[in-house]
Amino acid sequence: DTEVTQTPKHLVMGMTNKKSLKCEQHMGHRAMYWYKQKAKKPPELMFVYSYEKLSINESVPSRFSPECPNSSLLNLHLHALQPEDSALYLCASSHDREGYEQYFGPGTRLTVT
Amino acid sequence: GESVGLHLPTLSVQEGDNSIINCAYSNSASDYFIWYKQESGKGPQFIIDIRSNMDKRQGQRVTVLLNKTVKHLSLQIAATQPGDSAVYFCAEGDAGGTSYGKLTFGQGTILTVHP
Repeated sequence: DTEVTQTPKHLVMGMTNKKSLKCEQHMGHRAMYWYKQKAKKPPELMFVYSYEKLSINESVPSRFSPECPNSSLLNLHLHALQPEDSALYLCASSHDREGYEQYFGPGTRLTVT
Repeated sequence: GESVGLHLPTLSVQEGDNSIINCAYSNSASDYFIWYKQESGKGPQFIIDIRSNMDKRQGQRVTVLLNKTVKHLSLQIAATQPGDSAVYFCAEGDAGGTSYGKLTFGQGTILTVHP
């Protein structure tokens, strides 16, 4: 199984809502990543988890809160988002931080109203 | 042909032609380079990678060339097919220091293959 799954596929939320994005992989990978991608732009790294510990936070605003409950799961908790946070949120995983061969999920299309 | 401007660079080719997609990278310390393909509505898909101690690597129908002197990376696709139509991103990684595990993506090139 070389698949990274993400739920939901689409999410519309208001600026006062709290929601969570979920990501799962069963490849035994020990590094997991969150990226943000705006239309017609490249993915931008947000967070890296290595062996379930946060290893990189790319100065992401605190309204985005990542969580890695176990080696297969990665969540992104959202609270008090702004309309400019609307984007495609991609999850990826790799064997470990040495493995730059990252496998991406299909993403969650987020719209903040 | 290929165009670069305010929008994503685009490359249009006929089916069966060879395609060359170019990428300039910025970090001299990068030691790992990857090409990703992203189709509409999907996440990026790994195509091929190359380490900085190599200048060429071949895969199935694809070849990556690395020129460290001018910090240039290219992806060659042989016998391009309509299914190759997508946005192609190069990405660079640096195994040193606190950036270990971080990939920085280039702006992307839209490849359109006409039947």
